[in-house]
Amino acid sequence: AQTVTQSQPEMSVQEAETVTLSCTYDTSENNYYLFWYKQPPSRQMILVIRQEAYKQQNATENRFSVNFQKAAKSFSLKISDSQLGDTAMYFCAFKGYGNKLVFGAGTILRVKS
Amino acid sequence: DAGVIQSPRHEVTEMGQEVTLRCKPISGHDYLFWYRQTMMRGLELLIYFNNNVPIDDSGMPEDRFSAKMPNASFSTLKIQPSEPRDSAVYFCASSFGQGFRGELFFGEGSRLTVL
Repeated sequence: AQTVTQSQPEMSVQEAETVTLSCTYDTSENNYYLFWYKQPPSRQMILVIRQEAYKQQNATENRFSVNFQKAAKSFSLKISDSQLGDTAMYFCAFKGYGNKLVFGAGTILRVKS
Repeated sequence: DAGVIQSPRHEVTEMGQEVTLRCKPISGHDYLFWYRQTMMRGLELLIYFNNNVPIDDSGMPEDRFSAKMPNASFSTLKIQPSEPRDSAVYFCASSFGQGFRGELFFGEGSRLTVL
C-alpha cells in the first residue's frame, strides 16, 4: 500500500520569504500522480499544484513550485514570496492505480507579518 | 458550477443516534469519494464509487458505517448507531475519469460531533 509522509508538523515563515515543505512517499508503481492541497481555516480543500510522475520537469503555478525527485520518492513544495493568505494546512497526496488519493498527515504553515 | 455540495455543515448528536450525511457531486463526475478527517488520523478514505457502484470500501471503520449512491447526483454516508469516536469532519469529493482528469474536487465538509 502507498504511504505518504510529511515530516514537518508545523512550519513558520516571514511574509515575503520562501519556505519549503517536505513530502516523501512509498510506492512500487511507476506511473502515478502527486498533489499538494491547501486547507485554510475555512477547511475547504484547495488544489495547489500537481505533478505527473513520468514528467521530469517540475510543475510550477505562480508562486508555488515543486521539487520532484522520482528516484528518491520525494515531492517538496516551495512557496515563494509568502503571503498571509498562504497560512493553512498543506497536504501532500499520492494517486496511483485505482484512483485513490492517499494523503500525508499535513503540515501547518503560519505566515508571519 | 456549484461545486460539491454537502449537508449538513454541522451536526451535533447524542451517542446512539443515527446520523446521515449527504453529498451532491459535480454534475458529470463519475467518481465519488468519502473521506474522514480527524486530528489523530488525518484524512482517511472511507469509500469510493465509480458510476454509482462502490469500488473500495476497505476504509469503512465498521458495520455501523454504510454508504449509498442511488444515482449519479446523490450519495449518503450513514452512521448507526453513532459513537463519540465518530466525531470528525467528513468530506465528500468527486472527480471525472482518472489521471489528471481525475482531480478531486472537495465539498466544504460536514463537522460531526457525537456527545
